[in-house]
Amino acid sequence: DTAVSQTPKYLVTQMGNDKSIKCEQNLGHDTMYWYKQDSKKFLKIMFSYNNKELIINETVPNRFSPKSPDKAHLNLHINSLELGDSAVYFCASSQLITSGDEQYFGPGTRLTVT
Amino acid sequence: TQLLEQSPQFLSIQEGENLTVYCNSSSVFSSLQWYRQEPGEGPVLLVTVVTGGEVKKLKRLTFQFGDARKDSSLHITAAQTGDTGLYLCAGEWEYGNKLVFGAGTILRVKS
Repeated sequence: DTAVSQTPKYLVTQMGNDKSIKCEQNLGHDTMYWYKQDSKKFLKIMFSYNNKELIINETVPNRFSPKSPDKAHLNLHINSLELGDSAVYFCASSQLITSGDEQYFGPGTRLTVT
Repeated sequence: TQLLEQSPQFLSIQEGENLTVYCNSSSVFSSLQWYRQEPGEGPVLLVTVVTGGEVKKLKRLTFQFGDARKDSSLHITAAQTGDTGLYLCAGEWEYGNKLVFGAGTILRVKS
């Protein structure tokens, strides 16, 4: 069974479109995250949620809106996509809210904006 | 400016060689983690070091946390082709309750 799953794996879309990425974890963890990995492989946190509550919003443009319907799911909706949004987006989860706890990452969603 | 500087950025070596990857910062971290990421997959945790001066071994991999908890190193002995991947260090930043990642080291081990 996949611990942290994301859909879709690949997403190719045009500038200005709106798209969503879904994430689910079956580990029973309380905390979930969204990270962005750029073309230079630099991984940066975007958001974290604990029990459906937003904990970290790391100066991400308002076009990005995370939603956590329950603690096993954290989705990412992106409005008015821009070229600079092209990256690999990773969802992750951890049992504890402290960032030092082991984080389990999903396989990533490669977003390409043309 | 990144909080965590990783070096080298790229490393290409022959199977059987030893190597060391460094992760340095001017900031103090509560703990430091090392992850390995393969193409098309997410990072996977290798180890977490918490105490200054701590040394942890994972088979041929040796991880060290600096005494001042500002730096860390990963040493691989007798590298194998299966060690190929992207190695990321990540520090638990005490001021933001978040993981801060280094830029990564791409390791290629040739047979």
